[in-house]
Amino acid sequence: EAQVTQNPRYLITVTGKKLTVTCSQNMNHEYMSWYRQDPGLGLRQIYYSMNVEVTDKGDVPEGYKVSRKEKRNFPLILESPSPNQTSLYFCASSTQGYGGYTFGSGTRLTVV
Amino acid sequence: GNSVTQMEGPVTLSEEAFLTINCTYTATGYPSLFWYVQYPGEGLQLLLKATKADDKGSNKGFEATYRKETTSFHLEKGSVQVSDSAVYFCALSKNTDKLIFGTGTRLQVFP
Repeated sequence: EAQVTQNPRYLITVTGKKLTVTCSQNMNHEYMSWYRQDPGLGLRQIYYSMNVEVTDKGDVPEGYKVSRKEKRNFPLILESPSPNQTSLYFCASSTQGYGGYTFGSGTRLTVV
Repeated sequence: GNSVTQMEGPVTLSEEAFLTINCTYTATGYPSLFWYVQYPGEGLQLLLKATKADDKGSNKGFEATYRKETTSFHLEKGSVQVSDSAVYFCALSKNTDKLIFGTGTRLQVFP
């Protein structure tokens, strides 16, 4: 089944404790992206990657890092999480072009 | 800059009612337009899309027409079901590197 897999689905952590949210896709898509969803703000792009070793900032990159060492994986790293990073996070992938995007099921992160 | 504006929700309807969720956009050139749906506890799913002016996207009884003259992409369905209850997001893409989303509209359908 073609899908984007994120882990974990739920995570509660403390301020300052480094964490990684994994994202993997099995569709050989070139493009991958991370979004965060907050009430009243919709989804906002954090980082994106056009292909292996090519990443760039989205609209809200502060406090986040990403890497794209393999085509299928695009982890999101929070080096020192803060409470304002409490949110619902989605990974997405697509082929180049205007075909639409496949989203993962989301990771609900709470930073206390 | 590029942006998407959706009507505020929630939209509350009885089963079999007609649905319209308004979406307008601001963008230079000719963006691609999308509707995504998010069911409770799930990720977003692509519902339909249109890539050029006057295109009509359709899926599962939902339709939306790309109107360049009014910069709109309103979502419609002739007869909603309880199972259509979800949050609907309008989005645009100018390049493949970014989807720009509206804030979402919650639809609640009651029997």
